[in-house]
Formats: sequence, structure tokens, C-alpha cells
Amino acid sequence: DAGVIQSPRHEVTEMGQEVTLRCKPISGHNSLFWYRQTMMRGLELLIYFNNNVPIDDSGMPEDRFSAKMPNASFSTLKIQPSEPRDSAVYFCASSLSGTLQAPQHFGDGTRLSIL
Amino acid sequence: GENVEQHPSTLSVQEGDSAVIKCTYSDSASNYFPWYKQELGKRPQLIIDIRSNVGEKKDQRIAVTLNKTAKHFSLHITETQPEDSAVYFCAAPSGSARQLTFGSGTQLTVLP
Repeated sequence: DAGVIQSPRHEVTEMGQEVTLRCKPISGHNSLFWYRQTMMRGLELLIYFNNNVPIDDSGMPEDRFSAKMPNASFSTLKIQPSEPRDSAVYFCASSLSGTLQAPQHFGDGTRLSIL
Repeated sequence: GENVEQHPSTLSVQEGDSAVIKCTYSDSASNYFPWYKQELGKRPQLIIDIRSNVGEKKDQRIAVTLNKTAKHFSLHITETQPEDSAVYFCAAPSGSARQLTFGSGTQLTVLP
């Protein structure tokens, strides 16, 4: 079975540029999560979707960050304009959420470097 | 919201010894506790999880124990091997929500 698929795996760009990260969740999963991982702050939840609807975006650092989930098989995280402090590894995860809490399965991540 | 504290931040053990990592959580309504292993440059991978209706769960060399009264849970790795070297994260749900709050991670090093 295909796991969570993220693209690109690596992105290097100059500050001020727009960055778009992509995620395809596991087929049939109805919850999708975007995380950011840095040495300083660890693994932080940015935003969470359930059935394609954003449920909690309180972790989104500022207005430069936006996320969409136009359908059950695709989500994007966009940073515009990007800044050097946005450099991090961004993970997407998905789960099959029902009555009980369900395990989250992570993608391989996008390593983002803003110069 | 949930607050998860994880200790120790680093742990070195000799190959063959046991390793124990502990986490505490704040929300008494939390009922699901996963553990993830992250090797260098790779994604976090679920290695074991436990629900609040049981006190212990084992999977070969890995076990997790849960004390709901004290609000803490622990990961136990027995007969450690060099390939167990990684960062381990605990997590707990934010109350009734579907998101997880992660601990700060434990860097486990197994010395040959």
C-alpha cells in the first residue's frame, strides 16, 4: 500500500519567494495533518483537516502560511512570502478518524531551506 | 490543551541493556498514547500505541505501560540493539480532538 506521499522532498529557494508543499494522504483516510519540525521547537502541529474541512489552524504561525484541501486525496501548504526562519522539515500525516483516536501515518517530509 | 512532557532528552545504553522513556500528560480525558521512532533524516514511524482501557501492551522487545491515575506512560525497550538508536516521541491527544500533542523527543543511543 502506498503511504502518505509528499512533494517535493527538498526545496531550496530565496526569501520572498512563494513555496508550495504538496501531500497525498493514504487512500480512505479522512484526517490530514501538517506538521513543522525544527531542532528548537520539535514537532509542531500547524493545521488539521477532517473530511477536507480545516478544523484547527491555531498552529499556523502567521498569515504568510495557508493550507487547502480541495479534495480527499490532495492538500497543499503554501508560504508566501517565505522567510529564512521558515526553514524546517514539513511533514504531512493522515489517519482514519472515527469514534476512537487513530494512529497517524507520516509522509517522508519536505526539507525546506529558505536562503 | 494537552501538555506532554518527555524524559530524558538523551539516553545512552549498552547493547543488550534495557531502555525506558517516560512521558506525562495533563488532560485526564486523553485515552490514546502512541510512540513514534524517528531515524535520522526519516519520517516518524508508529512503533506501538496503547489505549486507556489497558495498562500494558507488548510487541516483541517493545512494551508500553500506562498509569492513568498518575497520568504517565512509559516506553520500555529490552535487549537493545544498535538499530534501536533513534529519536523516540510520545504523544497524547488533545482531549476529544483528533490531533496529537508530541513530547520533545528522546535521543536514544545504543552503544555496541
